[in-house]
Amino acid sequence: QKEVEQDPGPLSVPEGAIVSLNCTYSNSAFQYFMWYRQYSRKGPELLMYTYSSGNKEDGRFTAQVDKSSKYISLFIRDSQPSDSATYLCAMSFGSRLTFGEGTQLTVNP
Amino acid sequence: DSGVTQTPKHLITATGQRVTLRCSPRSGDLSVYWYQQSLDQGLQFLIQYYNGEERAKGNILERFSAQQFPDLHSELNLSSLELGDSALYFCASSISGSYVYEQYFGPGTRLTVT
Repeated sequence: QKEVEQDPGPLSVPEGAIVSLNCTYSNSAFQYFMWYRQYSRKGPELLMYTYSSGNKEDGRFTAQVDKSSKYISLFIRDSQPSDSATYLCAMSFGSRLTFGEGTQLTVNP
Repeated sequence: DSGVTQTPKHLITATGQRVTLRCSPRSGDLSVYWYQQSLDQGLQFLIQYYNGEERAKGNILERFSAQQFPDLHSELNLSSLELGDSALYFCASSISGSYVYEQYFGPGTRLTVT
């Protein structure tokens, strides 16, 4: 069993939709939770990171962590075609970072 | 632009050869991480250096080695290359060597082994 599970998609939504991306994990020692966006095999770009359970908002993006369920989510409001990319969740314990497989998202105009 | 630079952008070489990939971390970052991303796998952590010292090892093959120099740039050496080594190689950097929560990635080096 992988430590971090992420549905690879692909996920296709119309412009303006609310997108929900999710990851589950098995290692309760994970301390920080991150979301990265990767455009067509470019370098992953850090979107947000959170430490504790709860929500963190940044513009159209909201990251949610539920440590009791070992479940994290990224919500994208008012999705735009420019949001089309692969979204990777990542979790860290100490200096070790573990990535999910990534979810491929397409936002259609 | 993350501030992390990697050279070269593309590399095409033959099986059995040796190549060196170079990375310069963001200004102020002391940790450098190397990752491999192939088509059929996600991001695989290879190795981490912190202020010149090896800090953590992941799924790095014995044919691969890395080092971090006093000016904090890092090099990843890949030898006896095989077709399966064709992949994107990313370098990332962060301030801390003990906890990672803000890790910034470079643009990557695309390696093709023919």
